[in-house]
Amino acid sequence: AQSVTQLGSHVSVSEGALVLLRCNYSSSVPPYLFWYVQYPNQGLQLLLKYTTGATLVKGINGFEAEFKKSETSFHLTKPSAHMSDAAEYFCAVSESVRSQGAQKLVFGQGTRLTINP
Amino acid sequence: DTAVSQTPKYLVTQMGNDKSIKCEQNLGHDTMYWYKQDSKKFLKIMFSYNNKELIINETVPNRFSPKSPDKAHLNLHINSLELGDSAVYFCASSQDRTARETQYFGPGTRLLVL
Repeated sequence: AQSVTQLGSHVSVSEGALVLLRCNYSSSVPPYLFWYVQYPNQGLQLLLKYTTGATLVKGINGFEAEFKKSETSFHLTKPSAHMSDAAEYFCAVSESVRSQGAQKLVFGQGTRLTINP
Repeated sequence: DTAVSQTPKYLVTQMGNDKSIKCEQNLGHDTMYWYKQDSKKFLKIMFSYNNKELIINETVPNRFSPKSPDKAHLNLHINSLELGDSAVYFCASSQDRTARETQYFGPGTRLLVL
């Protein structure tokens, strides 16, 4: 079974500073990787995803992530944090349920991002 | 237009009661899911349906029974509610069942069992 580890359950940065949220995965096959954001009392919204092709993926709100197969990582970055970026961020890998020809998302434990003024 | 909607948004009930949560998607997707988010924000899949057919059934107590009357709707019925069922339940949908497809999430139903 695949797993996802997000290093740091809480990350705090100053407004305008670099945001770096770490995600490592375990997968025996080429993975499909996702980052979702959850604002307070809301559902999850897709930030970006990696399926195939270019390993640097650009998403919404200025976020990007780089798939590094050798490091089994998919870290999320944003050059300059904004107050509106404060939220919970989830990294996920898509896992096939072969017996049922289906797929499910396996999530990391989440990282709460706080932005200091 | 809300892509994936859930009702109710909040649900407070007593232990032992039976309750249902409804989910509807207007995206024309074939596949729908139920996820549970616990108090520590951990998200785990419970069920998935594809064109009204159950395709994923994780280790979930039999008290939980999903139903999909058509491919745009996926409901979750919970019998004999327990304190441990308190959580946020998210519905999601995707174009099809393949691994590369994005899942779109509803706003969640916050269930509190007293």
